[in-house]
Amino acid sequence: DIVMTQSPDSLAVSLGERATINCKSSQSVLNSANNRNYLAWYQQRPGQPPKLLIYWASTRESGVPDRFSGSGSGTDFTLTISSLQAEDVAVYYCQQYDNAPQTFGQGTRLEIK
Amino acid sequence: QVQLQASGPRLVKPSETLSLTCSVLGGSIRGYYWSWIRQPPGKGLEWIGNVHDTGSTKVNPSLKSRFTISIDTSTNQFSLKVTSVTAADTALYYCAGGYASNWPLDYWGQGTRVTVSS
Repeated sequence: DIVMTQSPDSLAVSLGERATINCKSSQSVLNSANNRNYLAWYQQRPGQPPKLLIYWASTRESGVPDRFSGSGSGTDFTLTISSLQAEDVAVYYCQQYDNAPQTFGQGTRLEIK
Repeated sequence: QVQLQASGPRLVKPSETLSLTCSVLGGSIRGYYWSWIRQPPGKGLEWIGNVHDTGSTKVNPSLKSRFTISIDTSTNQFSLKVTSVTAADTALYYCAGGYASNWPLDYWGQGTRVTVSS
C-alpha cells in the first residue's frame, strides 16, 4: 500500500494569514503515461463528510475558492490556503488514488490562532 | 445533483453481520465507481473498497475477507456487508462516488454511525 504522511498534524494560523500543509507519499503517484499526479485534497469540517477541494494535485474542484491551491509532483505535495478565513477551520486530508487501495494521510487539523 | 444516503443499523452485536446500503439519489448509479470509506471515532479515513455497475469490485486487502460490496442497479443502491464484526469496526461509514476506480471521490454521503457493542 502507498503510505501518505502529512505534516504538521495540527496547525494554528491567524485570520488572513497563509496556511501550508504538506503531504508525502511512500512512492510516486505521478503517472508517466499522462503526466498526472493522482493526488487529491479533502476538507472535513466538524460533523460533515469530507469535501473534495483539489485533484490531480493542483486542479480546484468547481466552486472551491481560489485561495485554495495545490502543488507538487511525484511524492511531495502541498496544500496552501493563501488567506485563512474562519470557515476554513477543518481537518484536511491528502489522498492518493493511483493504486488500490486508495489511501489517505492521517489528517491535519487547522485552527485559528 | 447526485446525493448519497447511507442507511443501516446504528448498533450491532459482536460476531454479528453488519449490512449497510447507500442510495444514489438524483442521478443514475450507472457509469460511476461507488466506494465505502470508514472513519473510527476521532481517527482518519480508511478506504474499504468500491464497486462498478458491471459488478466489478475491489476491496482493501488489509481488511481481509470479511467485507463484501455489491450493487443493485434496479434500485440505484449499493451495499456493504461486514461479517464477524468486532469493536474495531465501530466507525462512521461513508458512501462516496468517483468517475473511475482511480479517480478522486467527488460525491459523499453524510455517513452513518455504527457502534459494535453487546
